[in-house]
Parts: sequence; C-alpha cells; structure tokens
Amino acid sequence: AQTVTQSQPEMSVQEAETVTLSCTYDTSESDYYLFWYKQPPSRQMILVIRQEAYKQQNATENRFSVNFQKAAKSFSLKISDSQLGDAAMYFCAYRRGKGGTSYGKLTFGQGTILTVHP
Amino acid sequence: ETGVTQSPTHLIKTRGQQVTLRCSSQSGHNTVSWYQQALGQGPQFIFQYYREEENGRGNFPPRFSGLQFPNYSSELNVNALELDDSALYLCASSLFAGSNYGYTFGSGTRLTVV
Repeated sequence: AQTVTQSQPEMSVQEAETVTLSCTYDTSESDYYLFWYKQPPSRQMILVIRQEAYKQQNATENRFSVNFQKAAKSFSLKISDSQLGDAAMYFCAYRRGKGGTSYGKLTFGQGTILTVHP
Repeated sequence: ETGVTQSPTHLIKTRGQQVTLRCSSQSGHNTVSWYQQALGQGPQFIFQYYREEENGRGNFPPRFSGLQFPNYSSELNVNALELDDSALYLCASSLFAGSNYGYTFGSGTRLTVV
C-alpha cells in the first residue's frame, strides 16, 4: 500500500520569505502523480500544484514550486515570497497511475500547518 | 462554472442513528469521491463513484454506503453511527476517475456524533 509522510506538523515563515514543506512517499509503482493541496479554515481543499512522476522537470505555479526526487521518493513544496493568504494546512497527496481498482484514489499525508507572520 | 456543493455544513447525530450527506458535483464531472477527515489528520478515502457505479473503496466498513445519481450528484450514508465517525466528510468531483486535472473539493460536512 502507498503511504505519504509529512514530518513537519507545523512550520512558520515571515511574510515575503521562502519556506519549504517536506513530503516523502512510499510506492512500488512507476506511474503515479503527486499533489500539494491547501486547506484554509474554510475547509475546502484547493489544488496548489501537481507533478507527474514520468516528468523529470519540477512543476512550478507562480510562487509555488516543487523539488521532486523520484529515487529518494521525496516531493517538497517551496513557497516563495510568502503572503498572509498562504497560511493554511498543506497536504501532500499521491495518486496511482492508470488502471486497477480505486484508480483515482488520493492518499494524503498528515498535513503541515503553515503560519505566516507579518 | 459551479463548484462542488455539500449539504448540510454541520450536523449533530446520536450514536446508533443513521445519517445521509449530500454532494453536488461540479458541472461536467462524472466521478465523485468521498473522504473522511478526522480532526488534525489527512483525509482518508472512503469510496469513489463513476457513472453511478462504485469503482473503488477504502478501508471502511459496509455501514458506509453511497449512491451516485444520473446527474452525477452523490450521497454518503452511514448507518449505526459511532462516536469515531465524528469527522469532516469531504466530497470531491473530477472529469473522470484519475483526471490529470485533479479534483474539485467541496467545503465538507462536519459530523458530530454524541
């Protein structure tokens, strides 16, 4: 079974600074996808960024970028120029590639609470 | 484009009772998944429906059941409620199972079992 581990229960950053959230995962599959989701107090999960395992290039979305190390099974999220609105719970998630039952299932980590200080 | 709507937003039930939670998927999405999120934890996959058929289930007992309707809206039913069922229940829809565009989540239903 796939597992996702986020070893940082809480992180904090000063506004305009950079912070990195860590995530490791365990899988025996070669085809999979990785996601970072943000969950603010409104409770709605919002997709921040996604990475296809077959792509070597790290995904980037504006101020958000990932460091995907496939051999190490590591998938960290870097937030640059942090803003007050970035404060939320962040979840790393894994999804297997095509085929099989429960295709589409997301496996989440335990989450990291990010606090942004003005 | 409408997002995912869940109802009710909050619910209090007594142990042993039954509850039905509802989810309206985003327009055009034919796949709906349900997740249980205990306080301070990551969401856990309950099951997924694709075109009205269950096509994947997590490690949840049979008293957790679901339905998907022709308009792709969905219900989650939980029988014989237990105190540990207290959680945030999230619904997510996608264009199809395993869509590369990810999933659109609702804001959840907070269920408290007393």
